[in-house]
Amino acid sequence: QKEVEQDPGPLSVPEGAIVSLNCTYSNSAFQYFMWYRQYSRKGPELLMYTYSSGNKEDGRFTAQVDKSSKYISLFIRDSQPSDSATYLCAMSESGGYQKVTFGTGTKLQVIP
Amino acid sequence: GAGVSQSPSNKVTEKGKDVELRCDPISGHTALYWYRQSLGQGLEFLIYFQGNSAPDKSGLPSDRFSAERTGGSVSTLTIQRTQQEDSAVYLCASSLSGTRNNEQFFGPGTRLTVL
Repeated sequence: QKEVEQDPGPLSVPEGAIVSLNCTYSNSAFQYFMWYRQYSRKGPELLMYTYSSGNKEDGRFTAQVDKSSKYISLFIRDSQPSDSATYLCAMSESGGYQKVTFGTGTKLQVIP
Repeated sequence: GAGVSQSPSNKVTEKGKDVELRCDPISGHTALYWYRQSLGQGLEFLIYFQGNSAPDKSGLPSDRFSAERTGGSVSTLTIQRTQQEDSAVYLCASSLSGTRNNEQFFGPGTRLTVL
């Protein structure tokens, strides 16, 4: 079993829909949780970063972390065609050097 | 300013040949990371540099893989005697420092195909 599990999709939604992307993990030592967006043939770029449990909102994006369930989510409101990309969750343990463990990524397509 | 750059963008090689992949991190970033991304496998950590030293090389899959960093800047990932299973996108990332999860900035990657 992988440390981080993520449904690869693809996920196809109409423009304007609310998108929910999720990851589960098994390592209870993970404290830092991230979402990266990766466009085709590009490197990943950091989208959201949260520490421990709770919610964080940034524009149309909301990240949620539930450490008790070892479950994290990324919500995209009013999805746009430009949101079409692969979304990777990532997480790391606390203290010192941080080795980041990535999920396999969910491919999202927003249809105009 | 300039982001992380990698060269070549694409590399096709024959099984058994050696390849060198280059990464130019963002100026001033002391931490540098190499990852491998295969279809359906996500990003696989290979090695981490802090300055010119590599305190964590636990992700290198075999002794055919090696990496170095010089002048606290440019890094080269070398794969000797390439195998078909080495085909993947090799991504480099840099961050301001290696502690407390500083944001990693990724390059566009080198797509390696081993025939």
